[in-house]
Amino acid sequence: GENVEQHPSTLSVQEGDSAVIKCTYSDSASNYFPWYKQELGKGPQLIIDIRSNVGEKKDQRIAVTLNKTAKHFSLHITETQPEDSAVYFCAATTAQKLVFGQGTRLTINP
Amino acid sequence: NAGVTQTPKFRILKIGQSMTLQCAQDMNHNYMYWYRQDPGMGLKLIYYSVGAGITDKGEVPNGYNVSRSTTEDFPLRLELAAPSQTSVYFCASSVLAGGLQTQYFGPGTRLLVL
Repeated sequence: GENVEQHPSTLSVQEGDSAVIKCTYSDSASNYFPWYKQELGKGPQLIIDIRSNVGEKKDQRIAVTLNKTAKHFSLHITETQPEDSAVYFCAATTAQKLVFGQGTRLTINP
Repeated sequence: NAGVTQTPKFRILKIGQSMTLQCAQDMNHNYMYWYRQDPGMGLKLIYYSVGAGITDKGEVPNGYNVSRSTTEDFPLRLELAAPSQTSVYFCASSVLAGGLQTQYFGPGTRLLVL
Protein backbone atom coordinates (compact mmCIF):
# COMPACT_ATOMS: atom_id res chain seq x y z
CA GLY A 1 0.00 0.00 0.00
CA GLU A 2 0.86 3.69 -0.07
CA ASN A 3 3.47 5.07 2.33
CA VAL A 4 4.06 8.80 2.83
CA GLU A 5 7.16 10.22 4.47
CA GLN A 6 7.22 13.87 5.60
CA HIS A 7 10.18 16.06 6.56
CA PRO A 8 11.11 17.87 8.68
CA SER A 9 9.14 16.96 11.79
CA THR A 10 9.70 20.43 13.23
CA LEU A 11 10.54 23.69 11.50
CA SER A 12 11.20 27.09 12.99
CA VAL A 13 11.49 30.20 10.79
CA GLN A 14 11.61 33.94 11.31
CA GLU A 15 8.49 35.89 10.50
CA GLY A 16 8.65 37.03 6.89
CA ASP A 17 10.92 34.19 5.79
CA SER A 18 9.85 31.21 3.68
CA ALA A 19 9.09 27.69 4.90
CA VAL A 20 9.33 24.47 2.88
CA ILE A 21 7.94 21.06 3.87
CA LYS A 22 8.68 17.99 1.79
CA CYS A 23 6.90 14.66 1.32
CA THR A 24 7.66 11.51 -0.60
CA TYR A 25 5.21 8.79 -1.56
CA SER A 26 5.66 5.20 -2.63
CA ASP A 27 2.68 4.32 -4.84
CA SER A 28 3.14 5.64 -8.39
CA ALA A 29 -0.63 5.25 -8.90
CA SER A 30 -1.39 8.02 -6.37
CA ASN A 31 -3.04 10.89 -8.20
CA TYR A 32 -4.11 13.43 -5.59
CA PHE A 33 -1.99 15.21 -2.98
CA PRO A 34 -3.68 17.47 -0.43
CA TRP A 35 -2.09 19.48 2.36
CA TYR A 36 -3.83 20.03 5.68
CA LYS A 37 -3.20 22.55 8.43
CA GLN A 38 -4.04 21.66 12.02
CA GLU A 39 -4.23 24.38 14.63
CA LEU A 40 -4.05 23.57 18.31
CA GLY A 41 -7.18 21.79 19.54
CA LYS A 42 -8.80 21.64 16.12
CA GLY A 43 -9.27 19.17 13.31
CA PRO A 44 -7.13 19.31 10.15
CA GLN A 45 -8.27 21.73 7.47
CA LEU A 46 -7.43 21.54 3.77
CA ILE A 47 -5.26 24.46 2.64
CA ILE A 48 -4.19 23.43 -0.85
CA ASP A 49 -4.14 20.36 -3.08
CA ILE A 50 -2.66 19.24 -6.36
CA ARG A 51 -3.54 16.62 -8.95
CA SER A 52 -1.00 14.31 -10.53
CA ASN A 53 -1.38 15.99 -13.94
CA VAL A 54 -0.25 19.36 -12.57
CA GLY A 55 3.31 20.29 -11.62
CA GLU A 56 2.63 23.35 -9.49
CA LYS A 57 -0.28 25.18 -7.89
CA LYS A 58 -0.30 28.49 -6.06
CA ASP A 59 -2.80 30.20 -3.77
CA GLN A 60 -1.60 33.57 -2.48
CA ARG A 61 1.36 32.85 -0.13
CA ILE A 62 1.02 29.07 -0.40
CA ALA A 63 2.26 26.89 -3.24
CA VAL A 64 2.64 23.17 -3.82
CA THR A 65 4.95 21.47 -6.29
CA LEU A 66 4.83 17.89 -7.50
CA ASN A 67 7.56 15.78 -9.08
CA LYS A 68 5.91 12.57 -10.27
CA THR A 69 9.14 11.04 -11.52
CA ALA A 70 10.82 11.38 -8.15
CA LYS A 71 7.54 10.77 -6.29
CA HIS A 72 7.81 13.78 -4.05
CA PHE A 73 5.81 16.93 -3.44
CA SER A 74 6.44 20.03 -1.38
CA LEU A 75 4.58 22.82 0.37
CA HIS A 76 6.01 26.33 0.14
CA ILE A 77 4.85 29.16 2.38
CA THR A 78 6.25 32.61 1.61
CA GLU A 79 6.24 35.75 3.77
CA THR A 80 5.36 33.69 6.83
CA GLN A 81 3.12 35.22 9.48
CA PRO A 82 2.45 34.27 13.12
CA GLU A 83 -0.89 32.69 12.14
CA ASP A 84 0.99 30.21 9.97
CA SER A 85 2.19 28.49 13.16
CA ALA A 86 0.49 25.06 13.17
CA VAL A 87 1.04 21.41 12.32
CA TYR A 88 0.97 20.65 8.59
CA PHE A 89 0.17 17.25 7.08
CA CYS A 90 0.69 16.04 3.56
CA ALA A 91 -1.32 13.15 2.14
CA ALA A 92 -1.57 10.99 -0.95
CA THR A 93 -4.36 8.92 -2.39
CA THR A 94 -5.39 6.81 -5.33
CA ALA A 95 -9.10 6.63 -4.52
CA GLN A 96 -11.07 6.21 -1.33
CA LYS A 97 -8.44 6.51 1.35
CA LEU A 98 -5.90 9.19 2.18
CA VAL A 99 -2.53 8.20 3.58
CA PHE A 100 -1.06 10.95 5.74
CA GLY A 101 2.49 11.93 6.47
CA GLN A 102 3.66 12.21 10.07
CA GLY A 103 3.20 15.97 10.24
CA THR A 104 5.46 19.02 10.54
CA ARG A 105 5.18 21.42 13.45
CA LEU A 106 5.88 24.89 12.01
CA THR A 107 6.74 27.70 14.41
CA ILE A 108 6.99 31.30 13.22
CA ASN A 109 9.28 33.39 15.41
CA PRO A 110 8.52 37.12 15.69
CA ASN B 1 -24.15 23.78 7.07
CA ALA B 2 -22.70 22.62 10.36
CA GLY B 3 -20.21 20.42 8.50
CA VAL B 4 -18.86 17.50 10.52
CA THR B 5 -19.86 17.42 14.17
CA GLN B 6 -18.50 15.15 16.91
CA THR B 7 -19.66 14.42 20.43
CA PRO B 8 -18.46 14.37 23.12
CA LYS B 9 -15.51 16.78 23.03
CA PHE B 10 -13.77 15.09 25.93
CA ARG B 11 -14.31 11.90 27.90
CA ILE B 12 -12.55 9.96 30.62
CA LEU B 13 -13.12 6.21 30.67
CA LYS B 14 -12.06 3.53 33.11
CA ILE B 15 -10.33 0.43 31.77
CA GLY B 16 -12.93 -2.06 30.56
CA GLN B 17 -15.71 0.48 30.05
CA SER B 18 -17.32 0.99 26.67
CA MET B 19 -18.55 4.07 24.85
CA THR B 20 -19.72 5.36 21.51
CA LEU B 21 -18.19 8.36 19.80
CA GLN B 22 -20.75 10.15 17.70
CA CYS B 23 -20.11 11.68 14.28
CA ALA B 24 -22.58 13.38 11.97
CA GLN B 25 -22.29 15.34 8.73
CA ASP B 26 -24.88 17.41 6.90
CA MET B 27 -23.10 17.71 3.54
CA ASN B 28 -24.62 14.55 2.04
CA HIS B 29 -21.17 13.02 1.69
CA ASN B 30 -20.97 9.34 0.85
CA TYR B 31 -17.58 8.72 2.41
CA MET B 32 -16.92 8.90 6.13
CA TYR B 33 -13.80 8.08 8.12
CA TRP B 34 -12.54 7.63 11.66
CA TYR B 35 -8.95 8.48 12.54
CA ARG B 36 -6.98 8.50 15.74
CA GLN B 37 -4.14 10.89 16.44
CA ASP B 38 -1.70 10.06 19.21
CA PRO B 39 0.35 12.91 20.75
CA GLY B 40 2.87 14.30 18.28
CA MET B 41 1.88 11.75 15.67
CA GLY B 42 0.03 11.69 12.39
CA LEU B 43 -3.44 10.40 11.61
CA LYS B 44 -4.11 6.69 11.52
CA LEU B 45 -7.23 5.36 9.81
CA ILE B 46 -9.41 3.16 12.03
CA TYR B 47 -12.47 2.47 9.86
CA TYR B 48 -14.13 4.02 6.88
CA SER B 49 -17.42 3.80 5.00
CA VAL B 50 -18.22 4.42 1.34
CA GLY B 51 -21.95 4.61 1.94
CA ALA B 52 -24.80 3.57 4.19
CA GLY B 53 -24.52 -0.09 5.10
CA ILE B 54 -20.91 -0.41 3.92
CA THR B 55 -17.89 -0.26 6.22
CA ASP B 56 -14.30 -1.41 5.96
CA LYS B 57 -11.23 -1.65 8.17
CA GLY B 58 -8.42 0.83 8.07
CA GLU B 59 -4.91 0.60 9.44
CA VAL B 60 -5.73 0.19 13.17
CA PRO B 61 -9.23 -1.35 13.58
CA ASN B 62 -8.62 -3.62 16.58
CA GLY B 63 -10.71 -2.70 19.62
CA TYR B 64 -13.21 -0.65 17.63
CA ASN B 65 -16.45 -1.20 15.77
CA VAL B 66 -18.50 0.98 13.46
CA SER B 67 -21.88 1.03 11.81
CA ARG B 68 -23.36 3.18 9.06
CA SER B 69 -27.14 2.97 9.00
CA THR B 70 -27.65 6.44 7.48
CA THR B 71 -25.67 8.73 5.19
CA GLU B 72 -25.38 11.33 7.95
CA ASP B 73 -24.12 9.31 10.94
CA PHE B 74 -21.05 7.18 11.50
CA PRO B 75 -20.62 6.22 15.19
CA LEU B 76 -17.46 4.59 16.51
CA ARG B 77 -17.84 2.06 19.28
CA LEU B 78 -15.11 1.24 21.79
CA GLU B 79 -15.58 -2.04 23.62
CA LEU B 80 -13.49 -2.82 26.71
CA ALA B 81 -11.49 0.42 26.72
CA ALA B 82 -7.73 0.08 27.22
CA PRO B 83 -5.05 2.70 28.05
CA SER B 84 -3.67 2.22 24.52
CA GLN B 85 -6.88 3.79 23.20
CA THR B 86 -6.08 7.11 24.86
CA SER B 87 -5.97 9.43 21.88
CA VAL B 88 -7.76 12.16 19.96
CA TYR B 89 -10.34 10.80 17.55
CA PHE B 90 -11.28 12.62 14.38
CA CYS B 91 -14.19 11.92 12.10
CA ALA B 92 -14.08 13.08 8.50
CA SER B 93 -16.34 12.99 5.46
CA SER B 94 -15.80 13.46 1.75
CA VAL B 95 -17.33 13.11 -1.65
CA LEU B 96 -15.52 11.53 -4.56
CA ALA B 97 -15.64 13.91 -7.52
CA GLY B 98 -13.64 13.51 -10.69
CA GLY B 99 -11.59 10.79 -9.03
CA LEU B 100 -10.50 13.17 -6.27
CA GLN B 101 -11.70 13.74 -2.75
CA THR B 102 -11.37 16.47 -0.15
CA GLN B 103 -11.87 15.29 3.39
CA TYR B 104 -13.57 17.58 5.88
CA PHE B 105 -12.71 16.95 9.51
CA GLY B 106 -14.69 17.36 12.69
CA PRO B 107 -13.25 19.10 15.78
CA GLY B 108 -12.23 15.83 17.44
CA THR B 109 -13.00 13.87 20.61
CA ARG B 110 -10.28 13.65 23.23
CA LEU B 111 -10.42 10.33 25.06
CA LEU B 112 -8.49 9.43 28.19
CA VAL B 113 -8.57 5.83 29.44
CA LEU B 114 -7.40 5.33 33.01
